[in-house]
Amino acid sequence: DIQMTQSPSAVSASVGDRVTITCRASQGINNYLVWFQQKPGEVPKRLIYGSSGLQSGVPSRFSGSGSGTEFTLTISSLQPEDFATYYCLQHNTNPRTFGQGTKVEIK
Amino acid sequence: EVQLVQSGGGLVQPGQSLRLSCIASGFTFGDYYMSWVRQAPGKGLEWVGFIRGKASGGTTEYAAAVKGRASISRDDSNSIAYLQLNSLKTEDTGVYYCTRDYGGTNSADTFEIWGQGTMVTVSS
Repeated sequence: DIQMTQSPSAVSASVGDRVTITCRASQGINNYLVWFQQKPGEVPKRLIYGSSGLQSGVPSRFSGSGSGTEFTLTISSLQPEDFATYYCLQHNTNPRTFGQGTKVEIK
Repeated sequence: EVQLVQSGGGLVQPGQSLRLSCIASGFTFGDYYMSWVRQAPGKGLEWVGFIRGKASGGTTEYAAAVKGRASISRDDSNSIAYLQLNSLKTEDTGVYYCTRDYGGTNSADTFEIWGQGTMVTVSS
């Protein structure tokens, strides 16, 4: 199985900060990587697909990059509505596997 | 409108079975793999399994945690996906989501659409 190691597990940041979250795959996943945002009690919301494709309707402050085994989600200027937990998911190989999640908290 | 509406779930005793349903609308259901994802209280997301679309044989894949106890099926004529989970354990407690997986042409819409989730509590 492909392990997705997501870091950090939590980050404390202020409005306006730049936040970077990393997912490292235990083997290459051909850019079949999705990033989700989840707020408490809500359904996961897809932000990024194919490693770098921005989901329609998602603000441009969110961006994804990476290839092979290392992938990054960047929030260029954190907004109050961005405080949430973020997950990566690889769907190159079965079983699909999620990262452990990164909780973005208010500093 | 493209949507997934889930039903089923609730309180079940250890060792019992349950079946969750996921009714799709607004897209060609038969073209898509359908995945199930769960989330234990206060924990992260965990992929449970999927069923491929008819063009890919309608076969299934499961996570190790549920293999042998889970069965995913589909009724393409009514656009419904099912998750049956047998021999339930307390650690199966959580919110279960269905989600539209791979569509067979490209991955641009993979995991874009999710059901509202349904809570399953396994307890005596």
